[in-house]
Amino acid sequence: GQSLEQPSEVTAVEGAIVQINCTYQTSGFYGLSWYQQHDGGAPTFLSYNALDGLEETGRFSSFLSRSDSYGYLLLQELQMKDSASYFCAVRDMDSNYQLIWGAGTKLIIKP
Amino acid sequence: DGGITQSPKYLFRKEGQNVTLSCEQNLNHDAMYWYRQDPGQGLRLIYYSQIVNDFQKGDIAEGYSVSREKKESFPLTVTSAQKNPTAFYLCASRGGQGGNQPQHFGDGTRLSIL
Repeated sequence: GQSLEQPSEVTAVEGAIVQINCTYQTSGFYGLSWYQQHDGGAPTFLSYNALDGLEETGRFSSFLSRSDSYGYLLLQELQMKDSASYFCAVRDMDSNYQLIWGAGTKLIIKP
Repeated sequence: DGGITQSPKYLFRKEGQNVTLSCEQNLNHDAMYWYRQDPGQGLRLIYYSQIVNDFQKGDIAEGYSVSREKKESFPLTVTSAQKNPTAFYLCASRGGQGGNQPQHFGDGTRLSIL
């Protein structure tokens, strides 16, 4: 079957760096995406990795290791507005290229 | 501004009633999606459509129906057969076929049972 695992909750301090991990199990991996969702809001796209390595977009970076079926989202210089849930999602060939979503990681930022 | 509009924001359903959630996009995207989100959970795919007049079942299609008569519109009907409809419903669209093309989401509809 297909599954994604990510921690349910992570706590960090304002200004610090935090890493949110995602491990996946799919039979037809095509790419790993990250989305941010504030409470009660719509998910918004953060990043996409199809190949191994690090993708950087401002304060956010995303990493993928296909051999380890593992990725992470790195958030630097944390701000209070980064308090949200973060979802990893895998695009899977065996699901007709539709996204399969993790359960989300709630990031709590303390001043 | 281009975007996705979902309505209503809040919806209440009585026992035995069908309700329809609206989703309209002006992004000129071919693909549209409906997801269900339960508290503390990820998104689960209900139905998706990759082109007008065509749609496919997702992982949890039972008790739901859709239509795609226009490119801009992808309404979702929650039927009385869906016994546990209380959830947050999200509509999304996607342009292009590349794997890096993101999904764009509406603000969601929160459905509750009266």
